[in-house]
Amino acid sequence: EVQMVESGGGLVQPGGSLRLSCAASGFAFTSYEMNWVRQAPGTGLEWVSYITSSGSHIYYADSVKGRFTISRDNAKNLLYLQMNSLRAEDTAVYHCARALTGDPPYMDVWGKGTTVTVSS
Amino acid sequence: QSVLTQPPSASGTPGQRVTISCSGSSSNIGSNYIYWYQQLPGTAPRLLIFKNNQRPSGVPDRFSGSKSGTSASLAISGLQSEDEADYYCAAWDDGLSGRVVFGGGTKLTVL
Repeated sequence: EVQMVESGGGLVQPGGSLRLSCAASGFAFTSYEMNWVRQAPGTGLEWVSYITSSGSHIYYADSVKGRFTISRDNAKNLLYLQMNSLRAEDTAVYHCARALTGDPPYMDVWGKGTTVTVSS
Repeated sequence: QSVLTQPPSASGTPGQRVTISCSGSSSNIGSNYIYWYQQLPGTAPRLLIFKNNQRPSGVPDRFSGSKSGTSASLAISGLQSEDEADYYCAAWDDGLSGRVVFGGGTKLTVL
């Protein structure tokens, strides 16, 4: 079964850090590019970051640039999102989503998400 | 403020045809494909339409997409109660550093 499972969310104070993980299974992880997409409570989808299959090209939303780092371990079928200098407005459910090569908005498989709450 | 503009709500009765619009600019919809996602309450989004008007396997042909210039539309014909969900458009934006942009979402209510 093709699936992705996020983990690593939790409660963190403003200014703190978290690292999210996304475990992929059931497909050739190295053949796909990956996104992180978040959804704050009661709001719409917000794209966060995108990484190509080899990790050679990376893109970030302006709202997280300089604070978040996306990476992947193709040997372990894992995608990561290192989040530093967290702010209240980063509170959201974070989903990893599989994308086709060269087609970042084509997200055909999504994880259920992990919840990040930034609060003192 | 989302880069792509959608109406916040739409509604229809069972069997009716409804459309949801998505407006952008030359750097996104005007020069790239449009994608549509459906999000049922409490679930992850699901890809509904890709590359303007293509349906992934398993998506009923009641759902169709179109694009013209810097605008796009999602049409749902033969509306069913299970279509009640949030719908999002998305596209690649060729701006300064490249990014994926989403619409703010449209909540579809089946009356």
